[in-house]
Amino acid sequence: EAGVAQSPRYKIIEKRQSVAFWCNPISGHATLYWYQQILGQGPKLLIQFQNNGVVDDSQLPKDRFSAERLKGVDSTLKIQPAKLEDSAVYLCASSLASSDTQYFGPGTRLTVL
Amino acid sequence: GEDVEQSLFLSVREGDSSVINCTYTDSSSTYLYWYKQEPGAGLQLLTYIFSNMDMKQDQRLTVLLNKKDKHLSLRIADTQTGDSAIYFCAELNTGGFKTIFGAGTRLFVKA
Repeated sequence: EAGVAQSPRYKIIEKRQSVAFWCNPISGHATLYWYQQILGQGPKLLIQFQNNGVVDDSQLPKDRFSAERLKGVDSTLKIQPAKLEDSAVYLCASSLASSDTQYFGPGTRLTVL
Repeated sequence: GEDVEQSLFLSVREGDSSVINCTYTDSSSTYLYWYKQEPGAGLQLLTYIFSNMDMKQDQRLTVLLNKKDKHLSLRIADTQTGDSAIYFCAELNTGGFKTIFGAGTRLFVKA
């Protein structure tokens, strides 16, 4: 069974630029999560989707971050414009349902200069 | 509020046992997890325990849960250099279907 796929694996941008990350969850998983992991910390949930609907985006900085999962499968996370403090690893995870175990992708390491 | 705490570092010699500890605050947690993260990789699920269990063993891994004290531990027997990684404790709060992660314990294994 294929795991959670993410791209790109690495991205370097300058502050005020825009960036987008892509995630393809495990087939059949209804719930998709985006996490931000700052160096030395645990993952922090940014947004959680159930199919194509948002379940929790309480910690998403909505002035600059946006995410969508239009067809209930793949998802994109966008930052516009980026700030220095957005430098982190962005992890995507999926689960069969919101009460089930989450499986993580390899992450996208973002460096904002 | 919900919180998961872990010690930041643990150093052991190869062949010894490692014990990584975690405390959590949410008494309504149903599942508690241990994830492993190697450099440059995502989180890999190692094992989990349901909140009505006290212990779970899976090959070299033993999970102990003390629900009264809200304390979870992961014991790795015969620790190998390949076990060097960051280990995250996490709890699933079924009230909000939210998983809360600790900051991770970095395990160093000395040859």
